[in-house]
Amino acid sequence: QSVLTQPPSVSAAPGQKVTISCSGSSSNVGNNYVSWYQQLPGTAPKLLIYENNNRPSGIPDRFSGSKSGTSATLGITGLQTGDEADYFCGTWDSSLYTYVFGTGTRVTVL
Amino acid sequence: EVQLVESGGGLVQPGGSLRLSCAASGFTFSTYWMNWARQAPGKGLEWVGNINQDGSEKKYADSMKGRFIISRDNTKNSLYLQMNSLRAEDAAVYYCARGQSWSLDYWGQGILVTVSS
Repeated sequence: QSVLTQPPSVSAAPGQKVTISCSGSSSNVGNNYVSWYQQLPGTAPKLLIYENNNRPSGIPDRFSGSKSGTSATLGITGLQTGDEADYFCGTWDSSLYTYVFGTGTRVTVL
Repeated sequence: EVQLVESGGGLVQPGGSLRLSCAASGFTFSTYWMNWARQAPGKGLEWVGNINQDGSEKKYADSMKGRFIISRDNTKNSLYLQMNSLRAEDAAVYYCARGQSWSLDYWGQGILVTVSS
């Protein structure tokens, strides 16, 4: 049972924008850095966003992250078929003293 | 190029033990926290635990405490996960991942563990 809640799925047409929310609490999202991971079908997760809104080298600026209070958001603009994947948020939980992942969101390009 | 390669997975009976290994290359292994995470078939990601640079500090998810042990050998650039008293619900793909900036920045390809009689 994850402590971070994400919508199960989001979808949009190619070229459009989607946003994925990650809802937590003051012990995790509210007071710790949030990361986002992309998992393409049949592959290992890949870091997309770290420290709330930073992109590792090689990640296109179509991907963006933000945080407000106890919620974080991943945005994907200019949606491409290659973006079809599962997306997970992740952060440290200071009460559980563990790293926690969100429930995951599947992005479908219509 | 950072590479993480897991090995040691396979089929184990309930109650049995298994030791996973993760061979690291392309970075200075001894200067990074390292993590294990897992993913049951068709399910989301679950963090297993992590270990600090010299192995003196380890953290585990509650469901793994007392059964799983994380260790490392910096002379061999290797990370390990000893799994004991395995249960059906431990069946998953296990990933090793490097820790950096409060995230898991590089992941291995994963190794499958099946728990069944």
